[in-house]
Amino acid sequence: IAGITQAPTSQILAAGRRMTLRCTQDMRHNAMYWYRQDLGLGLRLIHYSNTAGTTGKGEVPDGYSVSRANTDDFPLTLASAVPSQTSVYFCASSDDLNNEQFFGPGTRLTVL
Amino acid sequence: GQNIDQPTEMTATEGAIVQINCTYQTSGFNGLFWYQQHAGEAPTFLSYNVLDGLEEKGRFSSFLSRSKGYSYLLLKELQMKDSASYLCAVMDSNYQLIWGAGTKLIIKP
Repeated sequence: IAGITQAPTSQILAAGRRMTLRCTQDMRHNAMYWYRQDLGLGLRLIHYSNTAGTTGKGEVPDGYSVSRANTDDFPLTLASAVPSQTSVYFCASSDDLNNEQFFGPGTRLTVL
Repeated sequence: GQNIDQPTEMTATEGAIVQINCTYQTSGFNGLFWYQQHAGEAPTFLSYNVLDGLEEKGRFSSFLSRSKGYSYLLLKELQMKDSASYLCAVMDSNYQLIWGAGTKLIIKP
């Protein structure tokens, strides 16, 4: 692995279904982030983790949960998907809070 | 509330210079970032300013005035591959990035 990866690349999901988006980084970065990007809007922070074992809520956390069991992985779970969660989801990491963030390739999620 | 403003779209000619402006109002300031995002791809880091003044990096420069809540990204000798969206983001007092909606830059031959 080189950098930060996300899976799946894209997914079509029925409303009400549970879905986990995966994110893995091999840069040993302490901080990780989940964003959603919608047309005409800036990236919006869903959840973040400053270090393994800790997580925090961002600007739009409702309907999403995260865990950070180790340094490398930061999965995002939609417990019961709704159409308004249709978006492109980006995972990012940084080695320190005020350093540049490196982004994964994104997951395009459509909820019908 | 927190707010980042930048133009929605700009058009420029190959070989020319373009300046993309960004104004911000945030709770605290811990630096301003510029990212480039090609269509269908992830954002990639371009520059970081935390002190007033101009930071130059090759064809790209970024300027910051904290007292005015203002930054710009200057792109020189434009190439077709510079066609992309340019995202301005400010790190607030909680060390969270607040993002603008991005400026789509169209380069014409």
